Amino acid sequence: SQQGEEDPQALSIQEGENATMNCSYKTSINNLQWYRQNSGRGLVHLILIRSNEREKHSGRLRVTLDTSKKSSSLLITASRAADTASYFCATSGAQKLVFGQGTRLTINP
Amino acid sequence: GAGVSQSPRYKVAKRGQDVALRCDPISGHVSLFWYQQALGQGPEFLTYFQNEAQLDKSGLPSDRFFAERPEGSVSTLKIQRTQQEDSAVYLCASSLVGLAMLEQFFGPGTRLTVL
Repeated sequence: SQQGEEDPQALSIQEGENATMNCSYKTSINNLQWYRQNSGRGLVHLILIRSNEREKHSGRLRVTLDTSKKSSSLLITASRAADTASYFCATSGAQKLVFGQGTRLTINP
Repeated sequence: GAGVSQSPRYKVAKRGQDVALRCDPISGHVSLFWYQQALGQGPEFLTYFQNEAQLDKSGLPSDRFFAERPEGSVSTLKIQRTQQEDSAVYLCASSLVGLAMLEQFFGPGTRLTVL
């Protein structure tokens, strides 16, 4: 069974707007990772945030982590058509990653 | 190679047939993971290898599923007597060191369809 739940399940925005996706999880974690999946490139790692970090940036990506609420958010700024994909959060506990169900993001030109 | 490769990319099997899915991880990567991804869902963990040792197989859904990595490099996921519910994309991932503390590099997956 999957631990994480992403919200919303689907998101459609105009190119240039910001997109925010949320992830909630149930158990304690070592780190939380975000991945992107599209038909062209498969599943690709975007960013990793450790349990003792609260915020992390990478290019147009900003990730926050609130371990007290067991939640994380991924913000994509200035969205582009190429950002159209499914986005998954994955929590790392012991030896494996546990993925959420994903948010399907569509960027409209 | 430059990334994780998987073969075949697509496999159609009749119910009851055995299938074997291959994964070539990034050279030098110690850890190798198999995941199953149903349509519209996130990947679900199947099993984990550190070198040739299978350290966790808690996600394998039944004893029809078997994975091996005999020389600590290439891995094969075998499904015996396939059932329709086995239809999914099977993803392989590798990472440089053990456990899930670092990013994992995923292959393109094998889409299995059981008729």
